[in-house]
Amino acid sequence: AQSVTQLDSHVSVSEGTPVLLRCNYSSSYSPSLFWYVQHPNKGLQLLLKYTSAATLVKGINGFEAEFKKSETSFHLTKPSAHMSDAAEYFCVVSDRDFGNEKLTFGTGTRLTIIP
Amino acid sequence: DTGVSQNPRHKITKRGQNVTFRCDPISEHNRLYWYRQTLGQGPEFLTYFQNEAQLEKSRLLSDRFSAERPKGSFSTLEIQRTEQGDSAMYLCASSLSGYNQPQHFGDGTRLSIL
Repeated sequence: AQSVTQLDSHVSVSEGTPVLLRCNYSSSYSPSLFWYVQHPNKGLQLLLKYTSAATLVKGINGFEAEFKKSETSFHLTKPSAHMSDAAEYFCVVSDRDFGNEKLTFGTGTRLTIIP
Repeated sequence: DTGVSQNPRHKITKRGQNVTFRCDPISEHNRLYWYRQTLGQGPEFLTYFQNEAQLEKSRLLSDRFSAERPKGSFSTLEIQRTEQGDSAMYLCASSLSGYNQPQHFGDGTRLSIL
């Protein structure tokens, strides 16, 4: 069975400082990993995806994530937070060997940006 | 690319009533997915279609829930005899088939049961 654990339910950072959102995964097979962002009362937007081509993945809006197999981690980072980054972030895993039909979501990390 | 469209955005109904939601996927996408998201939680997979065929259903999808995609384009999700516990955001997503195809989500339908 596959699962993800988002280690922080809430992260607060000051505008202009780095962002780190932590995620650990568990998967029996070769995983695909994603980060999605959800703004209030909106659907989910794909930030980035890992599919084994490169361990450092760059996404939209300056976000990136690094896949570390030895640590079973896929943490999301951004060098400098912007007010518009305030949202809920979800780490997501699917079993690539069985296709990406069924996504398993973490419980989310709410990111607050302090002006 | 007009994105995934869901209607209605909000639905308020009394317990015991039936409700139906509609999802229009991105036009070239042959896969369509339904998820449910309760307050403070991540979305949970309900079911998915490849073209008009429903290929997998979660155990979360009780007998009161039914989903269809009759012509392989739009899909409907019906809940019969709604219960308080059905209150949630219902999200639809679509994708191309094949490896590493990301799912694109609509803005969801928020269901409130009085």
